[in-house]
Amino acid sequence: GENVEQHPSTLSVQEGDSAVIKCTYSDSASNYFPWYKQELGKRPQLIIDIRSNVGEKKDQRIAVTLNKTAKHFSLHITETQPEDSAVYFCAASGYFNKFYFGSGTKLNVKP
Amino acid sequence: GAVVSQHPSWVICKSGTSVKIECRSLDFQATTMFWYRQFPKQSLMLMATSNEGSKATYEQGVEKDKFLINHASLTLSTLTVTSAHPEDSSFYICSAREPGGTSGGKVYEQYFGPGTRLTVT
Repeated sequence: GENVEQHPSTLSVQEGDSAVIKCTYSDSASNYFPWYKQELGKRPQLIIDIRSNVGEKKDQRIAVTLNKTAKHFSLHITETQPEDSAVYFCAASGYFNKFYFGSGTKLNVKP
Repeated sequence: GAVVSQHPSWVICKSGTSVKIECRSLDFQATTMFWYRQFPKQSLMLMATSNEGSKATYEQGVEKDKFLINHASLTLSTLTVTSAHPEDSSFYICSAREPGGTSGGKVYEQYFGPGTRLTVT
């Protein structure tokens, strides 16, 4: 099955700085890579996603890059704000639409 | 956007009893739903895929006789934790797949429910 690894597990940045979270996956058949933000005790919220036919996607302060050859993808948040503080999960999906999640990154944006 | 609900939002049960959790897609029909378990400060772990009108498929290591899944309609899937034990205490989250066919290998977005906090005493 798919194995998704995520780094770092915790990340502290100063408000206004950029944050980068990286994930790798093992199954070359995976072709959809969403990123979720989860606040304590709440459901994951999709913040951005990318499909395998695209190398980069951007939505305002958030961008995702995908390197299919190396099987890794990254989340980039620019101009971080305190409200960006949360746990972020990457996921990979392929056959049967199953989602396999990374271990999560706790992002702390210090004012 | 698509809305998925779960009921109950939290439940406390005694060891040895069973508890049922419902997952509903409110404004779309979901032929496929997924069940995840999340322990504190850990990731979401896929437990099983719930298919309307057929048996659920379970991930390796998940006991199908302990976690009974029923997907009797296009808007409802249920997860029953049988003979619950304290180690089953967790946050259970369902998701429903975006409507669409399966041809072409397209992967569809999943819409997550708000989760159910299960505590077994």
